[in-house]
Amino acid sequence: GNSVTQMEGPVTLSEEAFLTINCTYTATGYPSLFWYVQYPGEGLQLLLKATKADDKGSNKGFEATYRKETTSFHLEKGSVQVSDSAVYFCALGDTNAGKSTFGDGTTLTVKP
Amino acid sequence: KAGVTQTPRYLIKTRGQQVTLSCSPISGHRSVSWYQQTPGQGLQFLFEYFSETQRNKGNFPGRFSGRQFSNSRSEMNVSTLELGDSALYLCASSPGRKSSYNEQFFGPGTRLTVL
Repeated sequence: GNSVTQMEGPVTLSEEAFLTINCTYTATGYPSLFWYVQYPGEGLQLLLKATKADDKGSNKGFEATYRKETTSFHLEKGSVQVSDSAVYFCALGDTNAGKSTFGDGTTLTVKP
Repeated sequence: KAGVTQTPRYLIKTRGQQVTLSCSPISGHRSVSWYQQTPGQGLQFLFEYFSETQRNKGNFPGRFSGRQFSNSRSEMNVSTLELGDSALYLCASSPGRKSSYNEQFFGPGTRLTVL
């Protein structure tokens, strides 16, 4: 079955540091890949997405590239801010709409 | 467009009781999925409804059930509550068209505490 593996957290960085959160997946076919972010007390918000190999998703300075050869979708940001502190989830979408498989989440704390 | 709404936001129940949670999807979305989020198990898929029919189901006991109405609103029910059912229950909607581009839009969740 489908599975997603995220790098273990938590991750603590200083403001303006470079961020990488690793994500690898196992899936049949060619699923869409997503990064979601969850702030305290809230639901998940879509951060970025990629629907096919070599696609790069980007939003708010975050980027991730769909790498089919390494089955990876690593999240990167060049300069993090305190406001980026949240839990980040990598996910893959089933080819049938309605079900996503999530990684365990990575808690990011950015200190001023 | 209004986002996904869930009611109630917080709920406290005791063991053995039952509970019903409600979710209103984004207007025009026909697929509603439910997830359970706990610190130990992470995000786990419960089930998905599309056009009033359960289309996908996760690996949860029969105490967890759901339904969808003709206006796409969905409810999930948990009977005979156990302490381990304490969790954040998230609802997500999507247009529902069969596509690999199946982004889901999440509600704020219902925090259920079982005492």
